[in-house]
Amino acid sequence: GAVVSQHPSWVICKSGTSVKIECRSLDFQATTMFWYRQFPKQSLMLMATSNEGSKATYEQGVEKDKFLINHASLTLSTLTVTSAHPEDSSFYICSASPGDITEAFFGQGTRLTVV
Amino acid sequence: GQQLNQSPQSMFIQEGEDVSMNCTSSSIFNTWLWYKQDPGEGPVLLIALYKAGELTSNGRLTAQFGITRKDSFLNISASIPSDVGIYFCAGKSNDYKLSFGAGTTVTVRA
Repeated sequence: GAVVSQHPSWVICKSGTSVKIECRSLDFQATTMFWYRQFPKQSLMLMATSNEGSKATYEQGVEKDKFLINHASLTLSTLTVTSAHPEDSSFYICSASPGDITEAFFGQGTRLTVV
Repeated sequence: GQQLNQSPQSMFIQEGEDVSMNCTSSSIFNTWLWYKQDPGEGPVLLIALYKAGELTSNGRLTAQFGITRKDSFLNISASIPSDVGIYFCAGKSNDYKLSFGAGTTVTVRA
């Protein structure tokens, strides 16, 4: 299947700092990528849809100024958690599809811990 | 997206037994996907289903896309220790977003 790579795998940061997470589609182009958040022993919750060359669309309840998304190329989307707080600690995962109607492939996830 | 109804929530099975789990939805989906997630990792795609009634196998895994397009099941035959993990169903709708089930945690006793 197609490969989606996420970096970093884990990060620890201090409260008030910002953290950037990258999501890359390695062997296909993706005009759309999706960002999810997952709490322990829970399912994936969609945060936002990242659209190449245009603004991201956010799910209800997700602060767009808190979670900045940039999709500058067909193979890279970034999620920046700004002014991070301990409650932002979570597992963040991205996904992309080679085509709109095909299966979605996920990155390996990023464990964010804010101290 | 909505959360799908996935059951069972967890199961303990003996090695060699068959496993069955299913998902239902109040909405129609164009695609049903089944994923397995290991701790600290992203979900890995197991099977993708695109047509109502479709029955697809991948090794010891078999999944079906329900006729009503509102449900799907996944079977694992002759379970082995490495089948341990959390299995998620996901439905893809016209807006290309995925809705997930809550997950089924499978524990295999050797």
